[in-house]
Amino acid sequence: QLQLQESGPGLVKPSETLSLTCTVSGGSISSSSYYWGWIRQPPGKGLEWIGSIYYSGSTYYNPSLKSRVTISVDTSKNQFSLKLSSVTAADTAVYYCARHDWQWLVLGWFDPWGQGTLVTVSS
Amino acid sequence: QSALTQPASVSGSPGQSITISCTGTSSDVGGYNYVSWYQQHPGKAPKLMIYDVSNRPSGVSNRFSGSKSGNTASLTISGLQAEDEADYYCSSYTSSSTFVVFGGGTKLTVL
Repeated sequence: QLQLQESGPGLVKPSETLSLTCTVSGGSISSSSYYWGWIRQPPGKGLEWIGSIYYSGSTYYNPSLKSRVTISVDTSKNQFSLKLSSVTAADTAVYYCARHDWQWLVLGWFDPWGQGTLVTVSS
Repeated sequence: QSALTQPASVSGSPGQSITISCTGTSSDVGGYNYVSWYQQHPGKAPKLMIYDVSNRPSGVSNRFSGSKSGNTASLTISGLQAEDEADYYCSSYTSSSTFVVFGGGTKLTVL
């Protein structure tokens, strides 16, 4: 059974870089049919897609965050990572990683999801 | 403001059926059959309930069904149960530079 687990600091200072890693178990991150994505959810608010990466390193980013986001993949560790620079309080959210379906060159559904990790931006 | 429009809340009594709508444009919901629906209980991660408009993943109850007409997708839950009380989000591929859009979420209350 495929499982994803986020890890990283729960507190980041304003203007610094948020860094999270998602570890995939029970399957290979090098699957040809899937991207691997990051989604966030501010407290009490809805879901926002951040970006997704293919095992080859090909990426798609949300244009609203693209200037601050870098997603990378390490196939040897079955992991992918998120870096979000110049964070502010508005970046405080639960960050989820998820497998992202990719078919006919289109990004589709997310499944499964990691349990999520709360990252708070505060000095 | 979310790219896809969902009602903020819906409610129903046990045993009843409810429908949650998700309205987009011809660039997303109306143009592609890549609409998905997620259930999220408080403090939990979202769970995929419907993908590609009307397909149910293995293990999801057949009380959940999805459909689409024009620019509006719908999630119907029949035979409402207390455990269905949760937030529901729709999502769609979009041909805009955003690639992926979510709805603002709908809180389902089982009376």
